[in-house]
Amino acid sequence: QSVLTQPPSVSGAPGQRVTISCTGGSSNVKAEFAVHWYLQRPGTAPKLLIYGNNNRPSGVPDRISASKSGTSASLVITGLQADDEADYYCQAFDSGLSGWVFGGGTKLTV
Amino acid sequence: QVQLQESGPGLVKPSETLSLTCTVSRASISSYYWSWIRQPPGKGLEWIGYMSHNGNTNYNPSLNSRVTISDGMSNNQFSLRLSSMTAADTAVYFCARLGCYDVLTGYPTCFDQWGQGTLVTVSS
Repeated sequence: QSVLTQPPSVSGAPGQRVTISCTGGSSNVKAEFAVHWYLQRPGTAPKLLIYGNNNRPSGVPDRISASKSGTSASLVITGLQADDEADYYCQAFDSGLSGWVFGGGTKLTV
Repeated sequence: QVQLQESGPGLVKPSETLSLTCTVSRASISSYYWSWIRQPPGKGLEWIGYMSHNGNTNYNPSLNSRVTISDGMSNNQFSLRLSSMTAADTAVYFCARLGCYDVLTGYPTCFDQWGQGTLVTVSS
């Protein structure tokens, strides 16, 4: 049971837009700490996709964005491409745990 | 580009202690926070613990009594020890660097560089 809750799967057709939600609580997502998002392809390590609620590392296209409101955060991917198929994880610091927590992951099918 | 590489046994017997090492290239261990994360087959990610640049540590309470993270035997390495291994500890183990420092607290908040991971199976 993950501390942060994500839908197990989402899907969309090429060119469409999808949203992946991440719900937490007052000690993590709602707190002043940022939410980050990772992409993981099969057999590889997670890769930082969005940091600090809505900042993209170099190389991540601007059709990928994120937001946070209250105890929820969302990752939005527009103009879906076949290459977007992967697992996506949200992550935040948890003040109750004094450590870092992840969502259970969402499998995106294009 | 920072590089991290995990090394250690791929098979551990039940009740034994797992020892893994992470070798870091192009970054100094003494300048960042470092962490271990694991992922059971087909499941999500679980933070195990971290070691700060000055050697302070903190662990996931669910593993606290069994885990130790420390400096490695060689320069620019850090290690993970997890005792009393069971089948539930079978997972891919990743080492990672903590980054995305919070401007107010000065603490890192994300995992910005990852090793490729190493599969550890617990079986007799």
